[in-house]
Amino acid sequence: AQSVTQLGSHVSVSEGALVLLRCNYSSSVPPYLFWYVQYPNQGLQLLLKYTSAATLVKGINGFEAEFKKSETSFHLTKPSAHMSDAAEYFCAVGHTGTASKLTFGTGTRLQVTL
Amino acid sequence: NAGVTQTPKFRVLKTGQSMTLLCAQDMNHEYMYWYRQDPGMGLRLIHYSVGEGTTAKGEVPDGYNVSRLKKQNFLLGLESAAPSQTSVYFCASSYSYGTEPTNYGYTFGSGTRLTVV
Repeated sequence: AQSVTQLGSHVSVSEGALVLLRCNYSSSVPPYLFWYVQYPNQGLQLLLKYTSAATLVKGINGFEAEFKKSETSFHLTKPSAHMSDAAEYFCAVGHTGTASKLTFGTGTRLQVTL
Repeated sequence: NAGVTQTPKFRVLKTGQSMTLLCAQDMNHEYMYWYRQDPGMGLRLIHYSVGEGTTAKGEVPDGYNVSRLKKQNFLLGLESAAPSQTSVYFCASSYSYGTEPTNYGYTFGSGTRLTVV
């Protein structure tokens, strides 16, 4: 069975500071990994995805994530936080053998302060 | 290009009432999914469909039924609503297994906020 664990349900950073949201996965086969963002009262929007093409993946809004097989991690980073980054972020894992079903983490709410 | 459209956006039901949530996608996706989102629990898969006329159970299927009579529509039904079904429901769609991996990933609707009193 595949799963993801997001460490920290709430993360608070100052505007301009580094954003680091942690995600560790468990999968018995090579995984596909995703980060989604959810702004208040909206659906989930794809930030970026890893599908084995490159270990460092760049997404929208300046976010990126690095796939580290040895650490089973796919942490999301952004060098400088903006107020507009305040949202909830979900990590998800999937692979082709499960009808493309994704398993989501429990989410991390990012707060950005002045 | 509408993507994934969910109706209604909000609904309040009394315990025991029934309702149907509609999801429509215009991207010709084969796969469609219904998730519920509850605080601290992330998204949990209720039911999914790998094509027209097919459905399958997900992680939390009890109390829900689904139908996929047309490729573009995926309906979620609650036959007898319970307060435990108060949640935000999301529909999503995706390309099918075997397509280019760079296409993998879901497109989500904007959600239906359901309250059962």
